[in-house]
Amino acid sequence: GQNIDQPTEMTATEGAIVQINCTYQTSGFNGLFWYQQHAGEAPTFLSYNVLDGLEEKGRFSSFLSRSKGYSYLLLKELQMKDSASYLCAVRENEAGTALIFGKGTTLSVSS
Amino acid sequence: DAGVIQSPRHEVTEMGQEVTLRCKPISGHNSLFWYRQTMMRGLELLIYFNNNVPIDDSGMPEDRFSAKMPNASFSTLKIQPSEPRDSAVYFCASSLTQGRRQPQHFGDGTRLSIL
Repeated sequence: GQNIDQPTEMTATEGAIVQINCTYQTSGFNGLFWYQQHAGEAPTFLSYNVLDGLEEKGRFSSFLSRSKGYSYLLLKELQMKDSASYLCAVRENEAGTALIFGKGTTLSVSS
Repeated sequence: DAGVIQSPRHEVTEMGQEVTLRCKPISGHNSLFWYRQTMMRGLELLIYFNNNVPIDDSGMPEDRFSAKMPNASFSTLKIQPSEPRDSAVYFCASSLTQGRRQPQHFGDGTRLSIL
C-alpha cells in the first residue's frame, strides 16, 4: 500500500536549524516534493528530488535516499515566518500524474 | 501571471443542497487535480484530468461527487446532495504534463461548511 510518514509537530527557535523527516512506502517512485503551507493558505512548492542526494535552495535544502525510502527538509537560519506546515509528497508515476501527500509537519518557530 | 483561480473562497450551506466548486488552471497547464484537505486525513486526491480527460477518479468518495472539465481553462467539482462530513477545504491544482520537475501549483482553496 501507500504510506508517507512525517512527525506531526516540531518546535524550534529563531536562527536555529531544523530537519523534518519523511519516510515513504509507495508502489512506484518518480520524485518527491516538499510543500510549505501557512495556516489558511494554499500549499506552495519548495523543492523536488528524484535522484539521491542533497538539493540546496537558499536557506532550504532537501535530501533523498531512494533505497531507504527517506527524505528530509532542512531549514537553516529559522525565521518566525517559517512557522507553517510542511508537506512531503511522492509522485508514483510519470509527470502529470497525482501526488500522494503525507499529513504534514507543523513547525512552530519561537523567538 | 495569474495562478490557479478557485471560486468561491468560502461556502456555507445546509445539508442536502447542491454545491458547485469552480477552478481555472494556469494557462498552458494540461493537468488538473482536485484535492480535499481535513485535519484528520490531510490532503487527499479526489480526481485528476490530463488534457481535459479524467484519468483517475478513485479518490471520489461516492456517487454524490462528480467533476467535469469541459475545456482546458475550466473545471467544476459538484456535490449533490451535500452532507456535513463533506465539510473540508477543497483545493484545485494544475501542472504541466511534460517535465518531471514540474510541480503542482495550488489555488487558494474553497472552504466548505455543510450545516
